[in-house]
Amino acid sequence: EAQVTQNPRYLITVTGKKLTVTCSQNMNHEYMSWYRQDPGLGLRQIYYSMNVEVTDKGDVPEGYKVSRKEKRNFPLILESPSPNQTSLYFCASSLTGTGSPEAFFGQGTRLTVV
Amino acid sequence: QKEVEQNSGPLSVPEGAIASLNCTYSDRGSQSFFWYRQYSGKSPELIMSIYSNGDKEDGRFTAQLNKASQYVSLLIRDSQPSDSATYLCAVTISNFGNEKLTFGTGTRLTIIP
Repeated sequence: EAQVTQNPRYLITVTGKKLTVTCSQNMNHEYMSWYRQDPGLGLRQIYYSMNVEVTDKGDVPEGYKVSRKEKRNFPLILESPSPNQTSLYFCASSLTGTGSPEAFFGQGTRLTVV
Repeated sequence: QKEVEQNSGPLSVPEGAIASLNCTYSDRGSQSFFWYRQYSGKSPELIMSIYSNGDKEDGRFTAQLNKASQYVSLLIRDSQPSDSATYLCAVTISNFGNEKLTFGTGTRLTIIP
């Protein structure tokens, strides 16, 4: 089954404690991205990756890091989480170019930073 | 000006009526347009994609695209309570030769039984 898998689904952590949210896709997609979703602000892109070892900032990259060492995995790293990073996070993958760029989403990770 | 704009709603429609959702975008070079449905706390799911001017129908859903006016709309016929959700418009925006998928903030739709 084609899918994007995020873990964990729910996470409560304390300010400053480093955390990683994992994302894996089995569709051989080149393009992967991370979004955060906050009430009234919609989906905002944090980082994206066009392919292995190719990453770039999205609209709200501050406080986040990513890596793309393998095509299927795209982890999101919060080195020193702060309460303003409390949000619902989605990983997505898609084909690049003009073929079929629609995004497939993971189940979401609800992060609370206290 | 936002790259993709939607009325946030809420939009209330009686059961059985037609729900009309609208979206405008700023990049004249955009080639691909999508509508996602998102239930509260869940991930967005793709319901329609459209790539050329005109109408595209899929069951009770019709997507309409007008590139000259830079808008895309979604019509839901015979609205059902299960259609109550937030609908996200997404548009590919050219980004230094690559296409970036950009989302609107979503329109919250409520179908009233």
